[in-house]
Amino acid sequence: SAVISQKPSRDICQRGTSLTIQCQVDSQVTMMFWYRQQPGQSLTLIATANQGSEATYESGFVIDKFPISRPNLTFSTLTVSNMSPEDSSIYLCSVILNTEAFFGQGTRLTVV
Amino acid sequence: GQNIDQPTEMTATEGAIVQINCTYQTSGFNGLFWYQQHAGEAPTFLSYNVLDGLEEKGRFSSFLSRSKGYSYLLLKELQMKDSASYLCAAAKGGNKLTFGTGTQLKVEL
Repeated sequence: SAVISQKPSRDICQRGTSLTIQCQVDSQVTMMFWYRQQPGQSLTLIATANQGSEATYESGFVIDKFPISRPNLTFSTLTVSNMSPEDSSIYLCSVILNTEAFFGQGTRLTVV
Repeated sequence: GQNIDQPTEMTATEGAIVQINCTYQTSGFNGLFWYQQHAGEAPTFLSYNVLDGLEEKGRFSSFLSRSKGYSYLLLKELQMKDSASYLCAAAKGGNKLTFGTGTQLKVEL
């Protein structure tokens, strides 16, 4: 199994500012995934973080808004930039290990 | 494109059996995940089906038919703690997951 430590667990931020979310995994993994879960909705994949190369973004998500770092095989960050109230959501990182998928505890972001 | 459909909500009685269906249309299909998510918590992995057939894991079983684009999650001997949202997710190349909207299950006495 994999244990994922994600922080912060929650934050309240002013619009126009940026927040960086960190994810630490206790195993080395090639890919880490970042998801968003808006209130009452399911998870939407934002991007795939690859070690040693740029992240791959899904349709509707861009690097300028959600820059991602992946400095090694156990760590990744997602930044939510120039925030607006529409960015209020839960952000989760995830890895797949031996056909099982594991999630961090999520970061509950509220933009005011 | 990808499309995942599952019922929005279901209600069942404690001790009973409930089946949550999921249909999918996705290119490059690799397998089907089921997750449980309690309110305010991260999803918890339940099962992963790659081949057709039934996978049993305690009170939970999951079935997949690749030819029909269909899966179900079967929960037996329901307990109150099983009240949660159940998400199916189709995996494609690179282990990217596309999630359904989730089925909110309510277990009643």
